[in-house]
Amino acid sequence: GNSVTQMEGPVTLSEEAFLTINCTYTATGYPSLFWYVQYPGEGLQLLLKATKADDKGSNKGFEATYRKETTSFHLEKGSVQVSDSAVYFCALSAEGSQGNLIFGKGTKLSVKP
Amino acid sequence: EAQVTQNPRYLITVTGKKLTVTCSQNMNHEYMSWYRQDPGLGLRQIYYSMNVEVTDKGDVPEGYKVSRKEKRNFPLILESPSPNQTSLYFCASSFFLGNQASIANTGELFFGEGSRLTVL
Repeated sequence: GNSVTQMEGPVTLSEEAFLTINCTYTATGYPSLFWYVQYPGEGLQLLLKATKADDKGSNKGFEATYRKETTSFHLEKGSVQVSDSAVYFCALSAEGSQGNLIFGKGTKLSVKP
Repeated sequence: EAQVTQNPRYLITVTGKKLTVTCSQNMNHEYMSWYRQDPGLGLRQIYYSMNVEVTDKGDVPEGYKVSRKEKRNFPLILESPSPNQTSLYFCASSFFLGNQASIANTGELFFGEGSRLTVL
């Protein structure tokens, strides 16, 4: 079946450090891929997306590239800030799924000043 | 302001006492869904609805009911809550693009702020 696997946290970084959160997926066909972010006490919100192979999604300094050959969609940011502290979820929407999202387990990021 | 509103935000109840968590969206979205979030398990879909009077089971529907009598509302009903239903619940909605929820292409799933439920 379709699934998403992301690196377990928590991840703790110093401000201005480089961030990578790994995400790999299993799906038939060509899914759409997403990263959602959940700030403390809030619901999830879309961070970025990619809908076909080799697409790069980007937003707020975060980037992720849809790699079909490695079935991956790793999240990166060159210089994290304290305000980036949150839980990050990788998700996919498989073809023919009526649009339902499948989420990874989430990775908690803490950025220290 | 476009939003998804859930109530209550926090609730402590006892085993077997029926409860309803309401969800309302003001964006005229066709698609609505309920998720539960548990430590180490991420988000799991409980039920979803593609439109009024159309509902379907997600990955973990046992112990829950839903209804979609109006487009804007999608209540989650726990007929006889049990302690394993202690969780953080999220309602979400999206519009349609073509013949499927737009989240397939845009990822635009709008979430409520969550309802933390404790069943003793």
